[in-house]
Amino acid sequence: GESVGLHLPTLSVQEGDNSIINCAYSNSASDYFIWYKQESGKGPQFIIDIRSNMDKRQGQRVTVLLNKTVKHLSLQIAATQPGDSAVYFCAEGKRASGTYKYIFGTGTRLKVLA
Amino acid sequence: EAGVAQSPRYKIIEKRQSVAFWCNPISGHATLYWYQQILGQGPKLLIQFQNNGVVDDSQLPKDRFSAERLKGVDSTLKIQPAKLEDSAVYLCASSPSERSNSPLHFGNGTRLTVT
Repeated sequence: GESVGLHLPTLSVQEGDNSIINCAYSNSASDYFIWYKQESGKGPQFIIDIRSNMDKRQGQRVTVLLNKTVKHLSLQIAATQPGDSAVYFCAEGKRASGTYKYIFGTGTRLKVLA
Repeated sequence: EAGVAQSPRYKIIEKRQSVAFWCNPISGHATLYWYQQILGQGPKLLIQFQNNGVVDDSQLPKDRFSAERLKGVDSTLKIQPAKLEDSAVYLCASSPSERSNSPLHFGNGTRLTVT
């Protein structure tokens, strides 16, 4: 079946280091990808998105890389800060039956060590 | 702009009781989604509305769950009767349109505990 999965359920990084969170998706028809950050007790918060006609997009301290050949998505966070500690989800979006559908992965917990 | 509003924030009920959740999406957003998030998992779509019409309810357990968006703005999700496995966070999200790829904006959810 369709799935969006993450390679590492928990990632621990030292404060100031760069973080890389990975995501594999299975549906080659997906053409839109989103990264969300979810802090405890809150809803998912949009971080960055990328469309399938791009392979890289940068935001403030974050970069998303898309490799359509191997159906892989990654989120890079530069100079990781304590406030980056959260669960990160990737989501893939695709057109189906006239609507846009989104499937979320299971999430990676990022722990920032002081 | 104001975000997606959800209430209540928490709800504790006994199994077989009923419960309802309310969502007010971002103003002007045509598409509204209800997701169920079980602890340790990603959000799972329950139902998707475009204005006041249902466009996807394939994963909604219709024997016990119902949802409506009568005027194309606010929405309610109801569970009757609740089961222990319904314990989860129920997230509401909205986006400007189902036809364009744009990020979903989420509320902070309602945490349901069924005892």
